[in-house]
Amino acid sequence: SYELTQPPSVSVSPGQTARITCSGDALPKQYAYWYQQKPGQAPVLVIYKDSERPSGIPERFSGSSSGTTVTLTISGVQAEDEADYYCQSADSSGPVVFGGGTKLTVL
Amino acid sequence: EVQLLESGGGLVQPGGSLRLSCAASGFTFSSYAMSWVRQAPGKGLEWVSAISGSGGSTYYADSVKGRFTISRDNSKNTLYLQMNSLRAEDTAVYYCAKAGEATVTPTNWYFDLWGRGTLVTVSS
Repeated sequence: SYELTQPPSVSVSPGQTARITCSGDALPKQYAYWYQQKPGQAPVLVIYKDSERPSGIPERFSGSSSGTTVTLTISGVQAEDEADYYCQSADSSGPVVFGGGTKLTVL
Repeated sequence: EVQLLESGGGLVQPGGSLRLSCAASGFTFSSYAMSWVRQAPGKGLEWVSAISGSGGSTYYADSVKGRFTISRDNSKNTLYLQMNSLRAEDTAVYYCAKAGEATVTPTNWYFDLWGRGTLVTVSS
């Protein structure tokens, strides 16, 4: 089955830039999406179609794609950005696949 | 208000059944594919099942295929998940989620609206 690989954790200080990667063989052909999930809450879409930002999501959230890796970048990280982040994509084996998640810690 | 509200979770014994519901409001329900996504305690997100806007096409993760059935009643703006032959590993919070665009192929689904989730516990 298809897998999307994320680092388990990323740590940054407030004001710095956080980069969270997601790797998968089908990513050159399929869009990637990113969700933020805070403890006890439902996921929230923060990036769609690799780099589009939904309305209401701060501009410090951005997405990019290069080959088999997509990256969620959070510029000027704030304490409120501490959360779990999940990438999502698809391939021929199934319409929806999630990465394992990355815990972002703001030091 | 645009929202999804799940119900039907609870404690069930292994081998038992449960039906989850998700009531939608604030958007044209029949225009959008819908999905169920679960999250085991302390674990990541796992896609479970999805259904097209018309209800004519359904999709399942291998882990639930043959045991779970997704359906929808567009006249009631409600999504369902019938879960049979439940196992301990099905214990999770189950979220319903709305597809972000009305007319996309399944491999381009993403989810722009999520419910708060309902907890299913499978234990004797």
